[in-house]
Amino acid sequence: DAKTTQPNSMESNEEEPVHLPCNHSTISGTDYIHWYRQLPSQGPEYVIHGLTSNVNNRMASLAIAEDRKSSTLILHRATLRDAAVYYCILRDVQTGANNLFFGTGTRLTVIP
Amino acid sequence: DSGVTQTPKHLITATGQRVTLRCSPRSGDLSVYWYQQSLDQGLQFLIHYYNGEERAKGNILERFSAQQFPDLHSELNLSSLELGDSALYFCASSAYPEEGFEETQRNEQFFGPGTRLTVL
Repeated sequence: DAKTTQPNSMESNEEEPVHLPCNHSTISGTDYIHWYRQLPSQGPEYVIHGLTSNVNNRMASLAIAEDRKSSTLILHRATLRDAAVYYCILRDVQTGANNLFFGTGTRLTVIP
Repeated sequence: DSGVTQTPKHLITATGQRVTLRCSPRSGDLSVYWYQQSLDQGLQFLIHYYNGEERAKGNILERFSAQQFPDLHSELNLSSLELGDSALYFCASSAYPEEGFEETQRNEQFFGPGTRLTVL
């Protein structure tokens, strides 16, 4: 599985936008980019996913670079509830593998 | 609430013992995944079952085994426990394979609250 690189930690002020970067320079053409987050004392939860085009949903936006070697998860207005570890994961749909390989993720701290 | 339930919530046991962790997937989900989260290894995929059959194996030790029953609940059996097995064990479920191309690419996994295992 192609690997991803994320900063270990980031901070944001409440109600400010947050841009969480992810590098995946060895991404293949059939890798989808998935983001999950893990709130304190909970299991991970799905946030968003995409292949080539930018994606929006009620939780966040995903901006994917044109060469697909990096992506950015955007939280438009951080709330205290968004404090979590965010994981960027590549999933190769061609292999049919459905398990998720979590890296170390980015721990987001939201400052009131 | 993800709809995935795991029991027990906490488990404390001694080295050399055997324990069973239980997972009930969301209603209608055919796939069950097990993950281990420890401080030094992070979240690691262990094994995936789909409709009662093993689909994929990750970093699962030979001392560990799992199964998925006809009612789709799953159990993870951990034997000859060692101190290093202390961790959070998560179960996740998904509908995969799902109807529709986009839904399959999404393959959202719903995680349970986890079982915290402490081996003393």
